[in-house]
Amino acid sequence: QVQLVQSGAEVKKPGASVKVSCKASGYTFTSYGISWVRQAPGQGLEWMGWISAYNGNTNYAQKLQGRVTMTTDTSTSTAYMELRSLRSDDTAVYYCARDRRRSSGGGPDGCWGQGTLVTVSS
Amino acid sequence: DIVMTQTPLSLSVTPGQPASISCKSSQSLLHSDGKTYLYWYLQKPGQSPQLLIYEVSSRFSGVPDRFSGSGSGTDFTLKISRVEAEDVGVYYCMQGIHLRTFGQGTKVEIK
Repeated sequence: QVQLVQSGAEVKKPGASVKVSCKASGYTFTSYGISWVRQAPGQGLEWMGWISAYNGNTNYAQKLQGRVTMTTDTSTSTAYMELRSLRSDDTAVYYCARDRRRSSGGGPDGCWGQGTLVTVSS
Repeated sequence: DIVMTQTPLSLSVTPGQPASISCKSSQSLLHSDGKTYLYWYLQKPGQSPQLLIYEVSSRFSGVPDRFSGSGSGTDFTLKISRVEAEDVGVYYCMQGIHLRTFGQGTKVEIK
């Protein structure tokens, strides 16, 4: 079946980096993109960015520009999201979700990862 | 950036009664390809979000027909014809014409 399986919970210190993985199965990875969405405790959903698994093109939310990098490894059908210079307000559950192959005109569909809790604390 | 505004932010509904959530975007979501990229998601407690409606009014596979979406341009509505206990959670609209932006969410609870 179509699924996205994310890596496990992480605890990081302020200023560190975290890299979350999202392994796809059950569909042709390069026919889609991946969006990353995060949710701080008790808060709403925040879109972080998108990557095309077809050609590696990316678009990031303006507030995260310069701190986030999204990549894919087509040989393993895995997407990665790296966030640097972590702050306490980066504490959140991070989700990957299958999206369109193009960034203009689309959105996450029915396939979401289970979420990865990243805690930033000294 | 496109801003998505949902109202109300919370809703308490008697089972079997209808419910409606409004979502307004700061600019038109009509794409040059003729489609309007407005989505609705439901996040049930403790779960990942799930897609309900895509492109304004198309129900995703497996979504009950008591859910319907409507609207155009900048004004959109999600309606639940008869709320059931399993519909509790937070509903989000999202635009997909220019990057992606979620609304603040509307929490639906059962009376």
